[in-house]
Amino acid sequence: EIVLTQSPATLSLSPGERATLSCRASQSVSSYLAWYQQKPGQAPRLLIYDASKRATGIPARFSGSGSETDFTLTIGSLEAEDAAVYYCQQRSDWPLTFGGGTKVET
Amino acid sequence: EVQLVESGGGLVQPGGSLRLSCGASGFTFSSFWMSWVRQAPGKGLEWVANINKDGSLEKYVDSVRGRFTISRDNVKNSVYLQMSSLRADDTAVYYCARDHLPNGERAFDFWGRGTMVTVSS
Repeated sequence: EIVLTQSPATLSLSPGERATLSCRASQSVSSYLAWYQQKPGQAPRLLIYDASKRATGIPARFSGSGSETDFTLTIGSLEAEDAAVYYCQQRSDWPLTFGGGTKVET
Repeated sequence: EVQLVESGGGLVQPGGSLRLSCGASGFTFSSFWMSWVRQAPGKGLEWVANINKDGSLEKYVDSVRGRFTISRDNVKNSVYLQMSSLRADDTAVYYCARDHLPNGERAFDFWGRGTMVTVSS
């Protein structure tokens, strides 16, 4: 099973600051990595797929990068509404797995 | 507008069974793989199972294989999760998710609101 390790566990920043979230895979997942945002009481929302492609309707301040085992989700200029838990997820191998999440506080 | 609506959750005793349903609308259901993803209270996300377009291929996480069965009805635009031999650690919100984008790229691009399953005596 591919284990995804996200860091930091919690990120506390002010609006307007840049947020950098990390996801490290226990083995190569090529570019088959996605990022999701989940706010309290809501279902997750797809932000990024294939490591760097923004999903439909996602603001340009969200960007993804990386390949193989190291990936980054960047929120260019944090807004109050970006407070949420962010999960990475790999589709390179079965079972599909998620990281443990990074909580972003604003 | 794509919509996924789960139902069938509830309180069940350990060892019991439950069948979850997910009704889909707003897209050509038979053209998409579908998944179930769960989230235990206060915990992260865990993929549970998925099924291919015509229902001929199923995949499961090890912790549910042999106890859960995913199926679909492309006439009723629905996907199901039959759960048996339920354990306390199956307690979670269960989400139905579309398994890939229209262009085939693999990511959970639409999610339902989830249905809560509680396994307790």
